[in-house]
Amino acid sequence: RKEVEQDPGPFNVPEGATVAFNCTYSNSASQSFFWYRQDCRKEPKLLMSVYSSGNEDGRFTAQLNRASQYISLLIRDSKLSDSATYLCAVEDSSASKIIFGSGTRLSIRP
Amino acid sequence: GAVVSQHPSRVICKSGTSVKIECRSLDFQATTMFWYRQFPKQSLMLMATSNEGSKATYEQGVEKDKFLINHASLTLSTLTVTSAHPEDSSFYICSASLTSGPYNEQFFGPGTRLTVL
Repeated sequence: RKEVEQDPGPFNVPEGATVAFNCTYSNSASQSFFWYRQDCRKEPKLLMSVYSSGNEDGRFTAQLNRASQYISLLIRDSKLSDSATYLCAVEDSSASKIIFGSGTRLSIRP
Repeated sequence: GAVVSQHPSRVICKSGTSVKIECRSLDFQATTMFWYRQFPKQSLMLMATSNEGSKATYEQGVEKDKFLINHASLTLSTLTVTSAHPEDSSFYICSASLTSGPYNEQFFGPGTRLTVL
C-alpha cells in the first residue's frame, strides 16, 4: 500500500460546480497534512495546511478524518482558474519529511 | 515571506557533463531542504533530504555519488548531477522547510528543467 494515495482523476467539472477530492494515508502517527496545487510545468504551491479536524479558506475546505486516515479537499463555486493538479501531502515526522501523493488532476470547463 | 529560489531555471547539456543546481531560501533560514525529481505527468519523487552542516540523507534507489548534495549554509543547498545522461532529464525541484511553532511547512523553489542530450 502506498503511503499516500489519491485518485488521479482527471475530474472534469463545469464552472460553478462543487468538487471534492480524497486522499488516504497509511501512517496513523502522522500529525500534519497539506494540500498543494501544481500548475503544468510549475512548482507546487501550498494551498492549505491541516493540523486539526479541518481548515477553511474561502471556497476551499480541507477536512481530516483520523479514524479513517483520510483528508479531503472541497472546492466550492469552482472557477476556470482552479484547473490544476492537486497534491495531497502527509508529514512523516519520524523521518522529518513530507510524503506526496501522485496528485489529482482537475479541469474546469466553461 | 517564505520565498525559495532556484537557479538555473532551465539547462540543456551534453551527455557526460555535470550540472549544478542551486536552491536558496531568500527570507528565512532553512536547516533542512529537500530535493525532488518529477518526470512528466508523474508525482514528485523525493530524492534526498539536505541537512545544513551534515551529510544528506538519500532515499532508497537514489545514487549518492551521482547526485551530490551540499548544504553549506542555512540558506543554500546545491544539487550536482554528475556525468548526466539522457535518462536524468527531468524537472528538479527543491523545497525548504520552515518551522512555525509545532508545525513544519515546505515551500518550493520554481524548479529546474534539465535536458540532457
